[in-house]
Amino acid sequence: RKEVEQDPGPFNVPEGATVAFNCTYSNSASQSFFWYRQDCRKEPKLLMSVYSSGNEDGRFTAQLNRASQYISLLIRDSKLSDSATYLCVVNMKRDSWGKLQFGAGTQVVVTP
Amino acid sequence: NAGVTQTPKFRVLKTGQSMTLLCAQDMNHEYMYWYRQDPGMGLRLIHYSVGEGTTAKGEVPDGYNVSRLKKQNFLLGLESAAPSQTSVYFCASSYARGRGYTEAFFGQGTRLTVV
Repeated sequence: RKEVEQDPGPFNVPEGATVAFNCTYSNSASQSFFWYRQDCRKEPKLLMSVYSSGNEDGRFTAQLNRASQYISLLIRDSKLSDSATYLCVVNMKRDSWGKLQFGAGTQVVVTP
Repeated sequence: NAGVTQTPKFRVLKTGQSMTLLCAQDMNHEYMYWYRQDPGMGLRLIHYSVGEGTTAKGEVPDGYNVSRLKKQNFLLGLESAAPSQTSVYFCASSYARGRGYTEAFFGQGTRLTVV
């Protein structure tokens, strides 16, 4: 089983619609969680951190469910520019090492 | 405001040649990482480092070596390049904060082709 798993998609979303997807992680001791965005195999860029109580950043909402070991990302009022691959990142803390583990990504395609 | 800089950005190697990829960060981060990304796949961790002089293997370390002689630099070496190492290589850095860790900051990537 992979340490961080994502539905690869693609999620085809009409412009203006809402899309949501999850990411599951295997290490219950994980402490830090992030969503990154990657365009056309350019470098990933931080979209938002994920906090225990959930957090919003404009049209984006991130949630953490520690009991079920998953995080989620919801995009409201989708824009064409939201088309990208969204990477889930989990800090897999083992011993004293801080290893950032990436999921394979979820592709989102927003259509006119 | 350089952040994380990778050199070179593009390279074509012949099978069996060697090369070193350089990653430099100016943010005084403790942690540095080397990932590879292949078409249709996510980022796979090659090696990482928690500090100067210390490195550890990731999930795909075979065929690569690394060194972290200075805190700001993390070098990735290919001793004998193989076509299977054709990929996009990303370097990243981060630091510890409290009980967790910060986000990773990425370089722009190195596109390596081995023929």
